[in-house]
Amino acid sequence: QKEVEQNSGPLSVPEGAIASLNCTYSDRGSQSFFWYRQYSGKSPELIMSIYSNGDKEDGRFTAQLNKASQYVSLLIRDSQPSDSATYLCAVNPGASKIIFGSGTRLSIRP
Amino acid sequence: DTEVTQTPKHLVMGMTNKKSLKCEQHMGHRAMYWYKQKAKKPPELMFVYSYEKLSINESVPSRFSPECPNSSLLNLHLHALQPEDSALYLCASSQVRGTGNYEQYFGPGTRLTVT
Repeated sequence: QKEVEQNSGPLSVPEGAIASLNCTYSDRGSQSFFWYRQYSGKSPELIMSIYSNGDKEDGRFTAQLNKASQYVSLLIRDSQPSDSATYLCAVNPGASKIIFGSGTRLSIRP
Repeated sequence: DTEVTQTPKHLVMGMTNKKSLKCEQHMGHRAMYWYKQKAKKPPELMFVYSYEKLSINESVPSRFSPECPNSSLLNLHLHALQPEDSALYLCASSQVRGTGNYEQYFGPGTRLTVT
């Protein structure tokens, strides 16, 4: 079983709609959760971090965490073509390392 | 300022060459990381330095040799690489906190090609 699982996609969403990206993790002791956006040929960019159960909003992005279900999600409202990228879910199971999921490719169609 | 810089941006080297990748951050972070990323795969952790000491080596072959000269700099020395080592090499840094909150910030990467 992979430690952090994401649907690889591609996920195709019309412009202006809500994009919903999901991630599950296996280590119940994980405390910190991150979403990174990576454009093709570029490095990962941190867009959201979440540490407590519930929702965290930042502009058009909302991260949701449910530790009981070991589930974290990212919602992107009013999706724009510039949101087309690979989104990496990352989990800190402890110590200094974070574990990345394989990423979900998101495509926003005009 | 969340900037991590890496040089060079691109590097082509032969299998008998010795080269170094450099990384610098001025965010006061005390943890620095090297990752390797192949196309369409997530970043793969190689090394972690915490307070300038190597804390994690993910069983990386000895042809990769990390060095942390001070709290702002991280180097990766390369020697006798193989073509399969061609990848994007990413440096990241983070604060070190007891609560386990490790927001890592990545540099732009070095695209390495081994011929």
